[in-house]
Amino acid sequence: DGGITQSPKYLFRKEGQNVTLSCEQNLNHDAMYWYRQDPGQGLRLIYYSQIVNDFQKGDIAEGYSVSREKKESFPLTVTSAQKNPTAFYLCASFKGDFNQPQHFGDGTRLSIL
Amino acid sequence: KQEVTQIPAALSVPEGENLVLNCSFTDSAIYNLQWFRQDPGKGLTSLLLIQSSQREQTSGRLNASLDKSSGRSTLYIAASQPGDSATYLCAVFWYNAGKSTFGDGTTLTVKP
Repeated sequence: DGGITQSPKYLFRKEGQNVTLSCEQNLNHDAMYWYRQDPGQGLRLIYYSQIVNDFQKGDIAEGYSVSREKKESFPLTVTSAQKNPTAFYLCASFKGDFNQPQHFGDGTRLSIL
Repeated sequence: KQEVTQIPAALSVPEGENLVLNCSFTDSAIYNLQWFRQDPGKGLTSLLLIQSSQREQTSGRLNASLDKSSGRSTLYIAASQPGDSATYLCAVFWYNAGKSTFGDGTTLTVKP
């Protein structure tokens, strides 16, 4: 079955450490998105990519970086510059047809040690 | 600024009640509006998508309406069940932005 796979499910970061969250999709979707969700809040957009080798900052990009070298993959790196990284991170993809919904992975929960 | 607001933030109802969740948005230039369900610690599941040219969509006990002129959408849940307990989020895909904005969600509890 097609879908989005996020890994790991849980991740712990030490002070000063960069960590990378994986997002892989086999839906053949062009656009991919990273969102951050804090408790009791909606989703805030970190970065998005509408095509391979191109990506744009979202509303809260500071302290994060991404790459889009393959259509299927859109990894997110949480750098040491992100001072409050504890959150639930969700990856989504979108075919580019506005008659079709966004699809989401099951998320990665990041905590600080 | 393009914003999405959901009211109420939380709702508790007895089983069997019909209920309405509200979503309002500040800019009518949208491609679509989407309603999602989120269970605790999980990703989002798409429930209904309403295109800009549509007025409503239905799926089973769910009905979503869209009024672009007033910047409002409602999600109607008929004959609620305990299994409907979850957080419901709406998301608007803006016309000139290439991205969506999400509301903060309404957390629904249906009591047996």
